[in-house]
Amino acid sequence: SQQGEEDPQALSIQEGENATMNCSYKTSINNLQWYRQNSGRGLVHLILIRSNEREKHSGRLRVTLDTSKKSSSLLITASRAADTASYFCATTETSGSRLTFGEGTQLTVNP
Amino acid sequence: DAGITQSPRHKVTETGTPVTLRCHQTENHRYMYWYRQDPGHGLRLIHYSYGVKDTDKGEVSDGYSVSRSKTEDFLLTLESATSSQTSVYFCAISGSGTAINQPQHFGDGTRLSIL
Repeated sequence: SQQGEEDPQALSIQEGENATMNCSYKTSINNLQWYRQNSGRGLVHLILIRSNEREKHSGRLRVTLDTSKKSSSLLITASRAADTASYFCATTETSGSRLTFGEGTQLTVNP
Repeated sequence: DAGITQSPRHKVTETGTPVTLRCHQTENHRYMYWYRQDPGHGLRLIHYSYGVKDTDKGEVSDGYSVSRSKTEDFLLTLESATSSQTSVYFCAISGSGTAINQPQHFGDGTRLSIL
């Protein structure tokens, strides 16, 4: 069963614009992670936010976590064509150690 | 990039044949995972290992077995492949200590087609 659900499923923007993707989950978590997947490649870890954190930054990435709403958002600022990829959220539940992935958001950044 | 190699990268085989996929890591990481990725399902965990000879089932383990005889290698076997096992298979690793707050590092996948 899916724990995380990303929204939107697909997003198309122009280079230089910001991209926001959302993730909702169902159960209590230890942490939430975001991954990127380029076509034909494996997933690449972007950022991990723990359940006691509300916001985290890494370069052009900003992640927020609202445990009361069981949701997270990933913001990519000043997007580039190279940001074109699928983005997945994944959660680790408090009852276990496994990651559960959502179905992903396909981001297309047009030059 | 984390040192993870999956082999083969592509394989086409027939229903009923056995298939073994290999994941090799050079990071000396304790945890290794096998996932499958299908449209509409995201990534789903098949099996994982928390040490040599220590493995456990994931969400979609039926029809699959695994073995880990040494730290660096984690094998996924389909004893008798079925068309429903056509998928892209990813291996991942994560570091020592508790796996809970560790990111996972992925190989580039094996595209398996079962005709």
